[in-house]
Amino acid sequence: EAGVVQSPRYKIIEKKQPVAFWCNPISGHNTLYWYRQNLGQGPELLIRYENEEAVDDSQLPKDRFSAERLKGVDSTLKIQPAELGDSAVYLCASSFQGTSSTQYFGPGTRLTVL
Amino acid sequence: DQQVKQNSPSLSVQEGRISILNCDYTNSMFDYFLWYKKYPAEGPTFLISISSIKDKNEDGRFTVFLNKSAKHLSLHIVPSQPGDSAVYFCAARDGGATNKLIFGTGTLLAVQP
Repeated sequence: EAGVVQSPRYKIIEKKQPVAFWCNPISGHNTLYWYRQNLGQGPELLIRYENEEAVDDSQLPKDRFSAERLKGVDSTLKIQPAELGDSAVYLCASSFQGTSSTQYFGPGTRLTVL
Repeated sequence: DQQVKQNSPSLSVQEGRISILNCDYTNSMFDYFLWYKKYPAEGPTFLISISSIKDKNEDGRFTVFLNKSAKHLSLHIVPSQPGDSAVYFCAARDGGATNKLIFGTGTLLAVQP
């Protein structure tokens, strides 16, 4: 069974440019999460989706970050415009809805903002 | 305010010996705890978990112990193998239906051959 798929794996952009990350969760997983992991830190939740509904976006910087999961399957996280402090690894994870605490992570996208 | 703390940034052990990774938490409402292992350039991989109603869970070489009164959990790896070398993250669920995980900062384990 395929795991969580993310693309691109690496992205280098200049500040003020837009950037987007894509995630395809494990088949059958209703819940999708986006995390940001700064260097030397653990992952921090940005947003959680139950199917197509964003049920927890309290940690998402809404002035420049946006996310969507239109059909309740794959998802896109966007930053516009990017700032130097956005350099981090962006991780996507998925799980079954309500039945398990186990979240399965993708490989992440390493973003470098110059 | 760090709710989940891993105070040892790194740990080095000899192959065949026991590795003990520690984690402390502050929120008594956490109801589920997990350990993830992370290799470079990969996402975290689920390793083992424990419910707050238990004090021990074992899976092969990996055992997690939970001491609720001390708000402390530990991961034991016996025997340690070079392939276990990775960053280990402790995570806690905040209880209820949110399934939100709070992660520690990780401990880099190096198992020397």
